[in-house]
Amino acid sequence: QQQVKQSPQSLIVQKGGISIINCAYENTAFDYFPWYQQFPGKGPALLIAIRPDVSEKKEGRFTISFNKSAKQFSLHIMDSQPGDSATYFCAASFPPGNQFYFGTGTSLTVIP
Amino acid sequence: GAVVSQHPSRVICKSGTSVKIECRSLDFQATTMFWYRQFPKKSLMLMATSNEGSKATYEQGVEKDKFLINHASLTLSTLTVTSAHPEDSSFYICSARQGAEKLFFGSGTQLSVL
Repeated sequence: QQQVKQSPQSLIVQKGGISIINCAYENTAFDYFPWYQQFPGKGPALLIAIRPDVSEKKEGRFTISFNKSAKQFSLHIMDSQPGDSATYFCAASFPPGNQFYFGTGTSLTVIP
Repeated sequence: GAVVSQHPSRVICKSGTSVKIECRSLDFQATTMFWYRQFPKKSLMLMATSNEGSKATYEQGVEKDKFLINHASLTLSTLTVTSAHPEDSSFYICSARQGAEKLFFGSGTQLSVL
């Protein structure tokens, strides 16, 4: 059973546009929701994370929007750049210290 | 962010040999480390959870005798693929948890078994 569902599987955005990736979860016990960025042949890197007590978190061009009632959260990449082309994974974890559940990943391509 | 070092980054071996992959947390102590397997253009598949000083917890379907995990210290976990076969060829990634929440990943190891 997929604990965290992620969409779309792939996304093509023009340079300067907004990239939006969505995730949904079922288990209300999750209380930490990170996003990871992975380039080919490399391990994922923590990009930004949010806890359910806030509805939005922004770090530079990256914003997480969190809808607790809908059990959904999304990553917005503003002013998308070709260097943002990578695979993005959302994740969720239980407190404290349990394993992380990952979405299936979104391959983002930003075209010049 | 914290640094997790994984070595080697790439290894090619003959069928039947064993391969050891190291995962080190360089600037923090990690009570728990995780090992994943990733197929091309696929998500991370958790193989096992490695706890310092105790036996690893393996996910369903992962052979513990084939994928030996040792977490001998708070900064080092190793994964040994024993008697590797071509079907074990994959991208293996470790991660280490810093504190209760943050998870940092190694750079991955591409294993190719001939």
